[in-house]
Amino acid sequence: EDQVTQSPEALRLQEGESSSLNCSYTVSGLRGLFWYRQDPGKGPEFLFTLYSAGEEKEKERLKATLTKKESFLHITAPKPEDSATYLCAVQAATSGSARQLTFGSGTQLTVLP
Amino acid sequence: NAGVTQTPKFRVLKTGQSMTLLCAQDMNHEYMYWYRQDPGMGLRLIHYSVGEGTTAKGEVPDGYNVSRLKKQNFLLGLESAAPSQTSVYFCASSYSLRGETQYFGPGTRLLVL
Repeated sequence: EDQVTQSPEALRLQEGESSSLNCSYTVSGLRGLFWYRQDPGKGPEFLFTLYSAGEEKEKERLKATLTKKESFLHITAPKPEDSATYLCAVQAATSGSARQLTFGSGTQLTVLP
Repeated sequence: NAGVTQTPKFRVLKTGQSMTLLCAQDMNHEYMYWYRQDPGMGLRLIHYSVGEGTTAKGEVPDGYNVSRLKKQNFLLGLESAAPSQTSVYFCASSYSLRGETQYFGPGTRLLVL
C-alpha cells in the first residue's frame, strides 16, 4: 500500500528564517511526486512535479528535491504570504489507468512578520 | 480559462437528503477526479473518470455515485446523505498524455446534519 508521511504537521517561522518540509513516501515504483500549496478555504494549487531521484525544481523562494525515499521542500527567506498548507502526493507506477495520487496530511506553515 | 469550477460552494443537508455536486473544466482534460478532504486525513479519492462515459471507484466510494456524460463535466451524487459525509469535496482534472499533474477546483463544503 502506498503511503505518504509529511513532517512536521505544523511549522512556525519568522520572516526570513529558512527551513525545510519533509515528505517521506513508500510506493511500489514512483511515477511522480507532487507538491501542492493550499490556502484556507481553497483548492490545492500545483507547485512542482519530480520524477526521479536527484531531481530538483525551483520557484521563487521554494525548492523541491527528491531522493528514493523522501522529498524536501526548502523555503528560503520566507515571507508571510508563503503561509499555507503544503501537500505532498505520490503517483505509483502501478496506479494503472487511474493515475491516482496518494496524499499526505500536509504541513501547515505560518510565517510571522 | 476558468480552469476547474465547482458548484455549489457550500451546502447544508439533512440526513437522508440527496444532492449532486457539479464539476466543470475547460481545459479539454481527459481525466477527472472527485476527492474528499477531512482534517488530519489528507485528500482521499472517491471516484474518477478516464474519459467521457467512463467512471471507476477510488479509495472511498461507498455512499457516492458519479456520472460523466460530457467530457467537460463530472457529477458527484449523494443519494442519501449521512453525517459521515460532512467534508470538503474537491474535483480535479488532468491531461494524461502531457503528464500527470492534477488541477483542482475551489471545493464544495458540505455539512450533513
